[in-house]
Amino acid sequence: GNSVTQMEGPVTLSEEAFLTINCTYTATGYPSLFWYVQYPGEGLQLLLKATKADDKGSNKGFEATYRKETTSFHLEKGSVQVSDSAVYFCALSEGNNAGNMLTFGGGTRLMVKP
Amino acid sequence: KAGVTQTPRYLIKTRGQQVTLSCSPISGHRSVSWYQQTPGQGLQFLFEYFSETQRNKGNFPGRFSGRQFSNSRSEMNVSTLELGDSALYLCASSTGTSGRGPLYFGPGTRLLVL
Repeated sequence: GNSVTQMEGPVTLSEEAFLTINCTYTATGYPSLFWYVQYPGEGLQLLLKATKADDKGSNKGFEATYRKETTSFHLEKGSVQVSDSAVYFCALSEGNNAGNMLTFGGGTRLMVKP
Repeated sequence: KAGVTQTPRYLIKTRGQQVTLSCSPISGHRSVSWYQQTPGQGLQFLFEYFSETQRNKGNFPGRFSGRQFSNSRSEMNVSTLELGDSALYLCASSTGTSGRGPLYFGPGTRLLVL
């Protein structure tokens, strides 16, 4: 079956530091890949997505590139802010008959200190 | 546009009872998915409905059921509650079922089973 593996947190960084959160996946076919973010007490928000190999998703300074050869979708940001503190989830969707069923990684908590 | 709304936001039940959770998707969205979020198991897919038909179901016992109405609003029901059903239940809506579009999540219903 499908699976998503994320680096365990928490990740603690100082403001303006560089961020990388690793994500690797196992899937049949050609899944779409997503990063979602969850702020305390809220639901998930889509951060970025990529639907085919070599696509780069980007939003709010965050980037991730769909690497089929390494089955990875690592999240990066050049300079984090305190407001980026949240839990980040990597997810995949096979699409087709699987519809909108997402398989999520375990989540990575990011804490940014001023 | 109003976002995905879920009611109630918090719920306390005792073992053996049943519970019904409600989700109103974003206007125009016809796909509604449900996810269970727990500290131990993370985010797990429950089921997805599209145009009042269940498209996919996750690996949950038959005590978990759902339905979708003609206005795309959805309900999920859990019968004979167990302590392990304590979780945050998230609803998400989307325009289609390709798996490539974003899911828009509601804030969740937090269920505590005593």
